[in-house]
Amino acid sequence: EVQLVESGGGLVQPGGSLRLSCAASGFTFSSYWMHWVRQAPGKGLVWVSRINSDGSSTSYADSVKGRFTISRDNAKNTLYLQMNSLRAEDTAVYYCARGLGIKSHWGQGTLVTVSS
Amino acid sequence: SYELTQPPSVSVSPGQTARITCSGDALPKKYAYWYQQKSGQAPVLVIYEDNKRPSGIPERFSGSSSGTMATLTISGAQVEDEADFYCYSTDSSGNHVVFGGGTKLTVL
Repeated sequence: EVQLVESGGGLVQPGGSLRLSCAASGFTFSSYWMHWVRQAPGKGLVWVSRINSDGSSTSYADSVKGRFTISRDNAKNTLYLQMNSLRAEDTAVYYCARGLGIKSHWGQGTLVTVSS
Repeated sequence: SYELTQPPSVSVSPGQTARITCSGDALPKKYAYWYQQKSGQAPVLVIYEDNKRPSGIPERFSGSSSGTMATLTISGAQVEDEADFYCYSTDSSGNHVVFGGGTKLTVL
């Protein structure tokens, strides 16, 4: 069974940092592009970042570029999102997703709250 | 930055056809995908590559795309179809994924 389990969310002050993790199981993690997508409370889905299967190529939404870094450890079947210089508007549930097309699979998300 | 535009809400009676649109300048060259998200749940893909339906998705869900507009059609909408629907695609470079703002479908 395909599973994606996010962790690392929590309450952080503005300007602070967090690192999210997404543990993958039930499929060959190293074969898939992975994404982070977030959803602010009561709002819509917003794509954050993606990384290709071997980690050599990444892309970011303009709103997080320069502050967030996506990475992966294929030996540990784990996806990461390092979030720095956090702002109140980064408050959201963060989902990791295996692709976004036909083989898409999403985790249940982890909540990040940026507040003083 | 690239944007996909959806209507905020669509409302139909049970058994009627619901149509949700998604407009974007790059859609003539890029595929549209559609996700359904029910309250408190992770999104589920219902249409990929404009008009293909994943296994397990009811046949009443269909997709089409023409010019700068993609459309999700739910033929004979049922109460259990109530959800938020999101289109997504990529910009013309293919490097950035963009979600539409979402459409709340009400069936009552």
